[in-house]
Amino acid sequence: GAGVSQSPSNKVTEKGKDVELRCDPISGHTALYWYRQRLGQGLEFLIYFQGNSAPDKSGLPSDRFSAERTGESVSTLTIQRTQQEDSAVYLCASSLGRRNQPQHFGDGTRLSIL
Amino acid sequence: GQQLNQSPQSMFIQEGEDVSMNCTSSSIFNTWLWYKQDPGEGPVLLIALYKAGELTSNGRLTAQFGITRKDSFLNISASIPSDVGIYFCAGPGGTSYGKLTFGQGTILTVHP
Repeated sequence: GAGVSQSPSNKVTEKGKDVELRCDPISGHTALYWYRQRLGQGLEFLIYFQGNSAPDKSGLPSDRFSAERTGESVSTLTIQRTQQEDSAVYLCASSLGRRNQPQHFGDGTRLSIL
Repeated sequence: GQQLNQSPQSMFIQEGEDVSMNCTSSSIFNTWLWYKQDPGEGPVLLIALYKAGELTSNGRLTAQFGITRKDSFLNISASIPSDVGIYFCAGPGGTSYGKLTFGQGTILTVHP
């Protein structure tokens, strides 16, 4: 499809396990963003990739969270040693990376930590 | 950090009524964005505002960029059932102009 694709759509795992979430941005979009949305809340910025520049990791809540992006394509968000407070919807967005270009969001991965 | 306060938190209205919601920030924004999120989906951009005082429409939706650059308003006229959802305001979240700070959202329910 033409939109941002995220997988899996749902993930249930036990506390302490590692999880890996995937995002396929829109083709040609140089900028990619990860956000976290807790139940009933707005979106919290996690990390931002722009081309080959160093990513802006200022929103990552702890060192258990990390993300990678290969070139201008797929990104993976990894959460190690998951905690119950990590339960949330993780949303990915991409954009053309230029000023005033809108961010297009995927439908998110709903992560539940038991 | 920057904070966005969005109100009201929720609204219950009858079909055909007009709706108004607003967003205020603790600091000046150069861009205001309004998104809508349907259940199980990601947010979709409705309107983008780039200039203080700007008034922009998208069908039955109208948004304004406040003169003080610390607030924005979204109005929906003649609401219909498919307007149901969560509406978020957002603005640039710091020196990285790409990342966004979001308000907590306004949950809109429209009764037929």
